[in-house]
Amino acid sequence: TQLLEQSPQFLSIQEGENLTVYCNSSSVFSSLQWYRQEPGEGPVLLVTVVTGGEVKKLKRLTFQFGDARKDSSLHITAAQPGDTGLYLCAPRTSAGGTSYGKLTFGQGTILTVHP
Amino acid sequence: DAGVIQSPRHEVTEMGQEVTLRCKPISGHNSLFWYRQTMMRGLELLIYFNNNVPIDDSGMPEDRFSAKMPNASFSTLKIQPSEPRDSAVYFCASSYLGGQPQHFGDGTRLSIL
Repeated sequence: TQLLEQSPQFLSIQEGENLTVYCNSSSVFSSLQWYRQEPGEGPVLLVTVVTGGEVKKLKRLTFQFGDARKDSSLHITAAQPGDTGLYLCAPRTSAGGTSYGKLTFGQGTILTVHP
Repeated sequence: DAGVIQSPRHEVTEMGQEVTLRCKPISGHNSLFWYRQTMMRGLELLIYFNNNVPIDDSGMPEDRFSAKMPNASFSTLKIQPSEPRDSAVYFCASSYLGGQPQHFGDGTRLSIL
């Protein structure tokens, strides 16, 4: 059974600050997705990373997949109140070489950005 | 485009009652997932279907839970009999293929008294 840990569990910052949240595991993943969930809504996909060492940027958000594909980080520059939400990482493991790879979600990081 | 549609949005019922949650996936998606979210356990996969066939139901907690997908545009998750510990937000998600990004509905908040 893989262990998946997201940290920190809670993060409360002021508008304009930078932050990084982490997703770590003991297992190697074929790919990893980051989702953001706002209150009363379902998670929404932000990005998928596939290659070890890969870095993807989405405006003020920078996602990195670890070289060994066991960990990932999400860095937000100049956070805004609209960034508030639950950030979930969801690694995918291959399943017998099929496309039926299951997503396993971390517990998430609850981010609050105060104006 | 319409996203994943779940109903009802909220359900409050007494323990022992049957609960049925409904999901309409995005048209053209052939994979459907049911998840349960609680503060303690986070987002857990209960079951997923591919082309209307259950592929993995290892996350279904016990026999009181059952899920069906009679056609490509409709799925149900049923709890019978319901218990207070079933209280959670239940999400349905769909994707074009099992390995593709999942699109989530807004969930059903279930409270069992």
